Amino acid sequence: AQSVSQHNHHVILSEAASLELGCNYSYGGTVNLFWYVQYPGQHLQLLLKYFSGDPLVKGIKGFEAEFIKSKFSFNLRKPSVQWSDTAEYFCAVYAGGTSYGKLTFGQGTILTVHP
Amino acid sequence: DTGVSQNPRHKITKRGQNVTFRCDPISEHNRLYWYRQTLGQGPEFLTYFQNEAQLEKSRLLSDRFSAERPKGSFSTLEIQRTEQGDSAMYLCASSLSKVSGNTIYFGEGSWLTVV
Repeated sequence: AQSVSQHNHHVILSEAASLELGCNYSYGGTVNLFWYVQYPGQHLQLLLKYFSGDPLVKGIKGFEAEFIKSKFSFNLRKPSVQWSDTAEYFCAVYAGGTSYGKLTFGQGTILTVHP
Repeated sequence: DTGVSQNPRHKITKRGQNVTFRCDPISEHNRLYWYRQTLGQGPEFLTYFQNEAQLEKSRLLSDRFSAERPKGSFSTLEIQRTEQGDSAMYLCASSLSKVSGNTIYFGEGSWLTVV
């Protein structure tokens, strides 16, 4: 069964700092990869996704992620964070085939941005 | 609002009581998922429907849990004889199956507190 590991449980940054959140997955086949964000008191929202093609994907609010197949990684990046980026971020993997679109999530990374 | 709708949003129940949650997926989405999320963890898959057929159930879904999706539209998740360990956020999600990819959209969740 696939698994997803997010390296950091809690990241604290100042505004304008650069962000990189790590995500590694374990599955040897074709995968679809996602980052979801959960703002305080709100539901999970899709930030970006990778299905195929260019391994560098851009999402909403200036976020991007790079799929590195050889490293089984899908790290999330943002060049300059804002206070409004304070949220919990979840990496998720869809392993395809008979998984019927079932997502396996990482444990989440809480991002706190200080103004 | 055309997103995934869940109700009730919050439910407090006494141990041993039965509870039922309802999910209305995005119109025309043929796939519907139930996940459970506890504090500090990512969502965990519970079960999945394609149209009205329940195609997969997680081992997390004990015999006290039952989900239905009559007519392939809305879905209900019932928990019988609730236990304190059932306290969690129950998330519903939906998607439209595509060959090229499968983006899953989440509802706001239903918080269950068992006292």
